[in-house]
This record gives sequence, structure tokens and C-alpha cells, in this order.
Amino acid sequence: KAGVTQTPRYLIKTRGQQVTLSCSPISGHRSVSWYQQTPGQGLQFLFEYFSETQRNKGNFPGRFSGRQFSNSRSEMNVSTLELGDSALYLCASSVTRLPQETQYFGPGTRLLVL
Amino acid sequence: AQTVTQSQPEMSVQEAETVTLSCTYDTSESDYYLFWYKQPPSRQMILVIRQEAYKQQNATENRFSVNFQKAAKSFSLKISDSQLGDAAMYFCAYVNRDDKIIFGKGTRLHILP
Repeated sequence: KAGVTQTPRYLIKTRGQQVTLSCSPISGHRSVSWYQQTPGQGLQFLFEYFSETQRNKGNFPGRFSGRQFSNSRSEMNVSTLELGDSALYLCASSVTRLPQETQYFGPGTRLLVL
Repeated sequence: AQTVTQSQPEMSVQEAETVTLSCTYDTSESDYYLFWYKQPPSRQMILVIRQEAYKQQNATENRFSVNFQKAAKSFSLKISDSQLGDAAMYFCAYVNRDDKIIFGKGTRLHILP
């Protein structure tokens, strides 16, 4: 079974631009979560989608948004990029939303904002 | 709000030796789950071990075991017979039924040959 895939793997943008990141979960997984990883703040939860609905959201500004499609694939969008948005963005999938479930992580998209 | 603290930003251990990574958390909940995830350099993060708070028995997965002290809100990870492939960033994580997963800031583990 293929793992979680994320595209693109690397991205360079300039301040003010917007970016869309994509995540394809493991087949059969319906929950997709997004995280921002930076050296200073560590891993921070962005949001979770299940059955095309956002179920949970972290403490990030409205510039960060996402969506999930009927095939469970998810996209994350960041508008009006800031230098501080430079980070590794990780996507993780699980079968359901049960708290005890293992999350399977993708390789991440490394975003650099200049 | 729940918090997870990993007090050791970096640790080193000699190959074949045992090392313990510490994690403490703060919660008022009684029903929750704790995880250790491993993120090797340039590789995907994977689950190492999981502990249900209602279980008193400490979880074990091969060379990895935890020391779960619920009253002290402590969840340390012990790695026995350390191997070079254990070198990674280790994250402790907490989740309860109503909330999102919260990660600690991580401990970078170096294995010395």
C-alpha cells in the first residue's frame, strides 16, 4: 500500500504570494491532518479534515486554509505569505478520527519564503 | 490547555547502550493517549510506541519501552541496545478524545559508534 504523498516536496515563494500544497493519504484513510514544523516552534497542528469537513483547527491566522476532496485528498493554502511561514509542512493520515489511532506522515513540503 | 514538555533538546548515547528520553505533560483529563514518534534525518516521521492512559501496564515494542507515570504526568521512552538507525528526532505527543494532537518540541538523539 502506498504511503502518504505530498507535492511539491520543495517550494520557493516570495512574500505576498500564495501557495497551495497537496496531500494524498493512504488508501482507505479518511482523516487528514496538517502540521507546520519549524526549528523554533516545533510541530504545530494546523487543522484536521475528515469526510470533507474541517473537524479541528489550530491557532493559526485565517491566511491558512484547507480543504478535503471526496477521495480524501487534501490541499492546504496559505495566502499573503510572510517570511515566518517558511517551514516544513507535514501531512498525516489515519483511518478514522479516533484519538488512539496512529497517524501516518508524509515526507513533507519544505516551503521557503523570500 | 494541555502542554507537552521535552526537557532534553539533544542527547547522545553510545551504540548498544540504553538511553531514556523524558516527556512530561499537563492535562486535567483522565482519558487520553500518549505517543512517541520518530523523525529520522530527511525521512518520514513514524510511530514508535503508544500508551493508553487507562492502562497501567507500560507499553513495549521490541527495544522500545515507556515508563508511564500517570500521577506524575510523565511518559519517558527507553531505548535499549541503541543502534545507529535510532538516530533521529523523537517527539512525544498527547491527544484526548476532544482535542487535537499536541507535540513536544522534540529531542534529537545522536548515536555514537
